[in-house]
Amino acid sequence: GESVGLHLPTLSVQEGDNSIINCAYSNSASDYFIWYKQESGKGPQFIIDIRSNMDKRQGQRVTVLLNKTVKHLSLQIAATQPGDSAVYFCAENNSGGSNYKLTFGKGTLLTVNP
Amino acid sequence: ETGVTQTPRHLVMGMTNKKSLKCEQHLGHNAMYWYKQSAKKPLELMFVYNFKEQTENNSVPSRFSPECPNSSHLFLHLHTLQPEDSALYLCASSPLDTYEQYFGPGTRLTVT
Repeated sequence: GESVGLHLPTLSVQEGDNSIINCAYSNSASDYFIWYKQESGKGPQFIIDIRSNMDKRQGQRVTVLLNKTVKHLSLQIAATQPGDSAVYFCAENNSGGSNYKLTFGKGTLLTVNP
Repeated sequence: ETGVTQTPRHLVMGMTNKKSLKCEQHLGHNAMYWYKQSAKKPLELMFVYNFKEQTENNSVPSRFSPECPNSSHLFLHLHTLQPEDSALYLCASSPLDTYEQYFGPGTRLTVT
């Protein structure tokens, strides 16, 4: 089975509200996590990453929280805007062999209502 | 723009056709990747190239044939595909020995 998954396939929020997108992972050996945003018709775009020696990291309007105890990752978007509407993927590292590989979750569709 | 371009953006081909997808990165990266993205499924890694050498083939059928002539260009040659191969094919690149991958916009492939 997949080692990375998402609790909710869709999330609908009002413009200006905060959004929280959740992700569960099963590989306790993973030590790097990354969030991507994919807008319609585009490829995934890097948002923010976090290493396992941290439990929180902040970017511009985004915060990633890592709870290694329960193997849970979340992406918080403050003051959600219509331009934030997209599919959001989490990914964990899968460093088998000499390659730096990522294992991706299925994605959560975020819809921002005006 | 991410610095990774893909052509064509859309492709429709019959099962007996031969076509190629092209990816070019302008970021100076040394690792390049092909992914398949199907509806309602996670991104599936297909191939990895480091310094033009293939270092990963994720059990991809031989009807998909990658080619990496240099660190900036990556091709995916397609022949005798099946309808279930219809998907978005994404190319990515990264600096060597890092996880942060930069994706192109993808090629939407439809096999009829």
